[in-house]
Amino acid sequence: RKEVEQDPGPFNVPEGATVAFNCTYSNSASQSFFWYRQDCRKEPKLLMSVYSSGNEDGRFTAQLNRASQYISLLIRDSKLSDSATYLCVVNAGNEKLTFGTGTRLTIIP
Amino acid sequence: EAGVAQSPRYKIIEKRQSVAFWCNPISGHATLYWYQQILGQGPKLLIQFQNNGVVDDSQLPKDRFSAERLKGVDSTLKIQPAKLEDSAVYLCASTPGGRPVTLHFGNGTRLTVT
Repeated sequence: RKEVEQDPGPFNVPEGATVAFNCTYSNSASQSFFWYRQDCRKEPKLLMSVYSSGNEDGRFTAQLNRASQYISLLIRDSKLSDSATYLCVVNAGNEKLTFGTGTRLTIIP
Repeated sequence: EAGVAQSPRYKIIEKRQSVAFWCNPISGHATLYWYQQILGQGPKLLIQFQNNGVVDDSQLPKDRFSAERLKGVDSTLKIQPAKLEDSAVYLCASTPGGRPVTLHFGNGTRLTVT
């Protein structure tokens, strides 16, 4: 089983819609969790951290379910500029960060 | 604050040749990472340094890949000899420490092996 698994998509979603991604991780001792965004031919950049209580940043909501070992990202009122690949990242400890394969999102006008 | 610097941006070599990549992390960042990102996949950790010591190199193909960070600042990653499947973007990242861990990536080096 992969350490971090994501549905690679692609997700093609109309502008203004809500879209959700899930990610599962295998190491129950994992300490912290993140979503990174990667634009085409660019480097990944931190989108948001994921906290146990769930957290929101504008149109973006991230949630963590430790019991089921998955994290999620919800994007509301999607914009054309949200088109990117979304990478799930897990810190298994010792600052070792493992990436999922990424979920490709395209927002359609 | 200057970002993570990597060079070269692009490199094309033939299989069985050697290649080296260079990375200069953000000043003061103790932890440095090299990731390999094959087209259509997520970044795969090759090696992680804490200052000049190796924290994790479990996924580094040590028969052909080597990396060093001699003075705990900049780092080089070498491939010798290269294979076709080494074609990828090699990303260097650094973190300032503390919580949460935030990776700062360089622009990457795009390697094509023909």
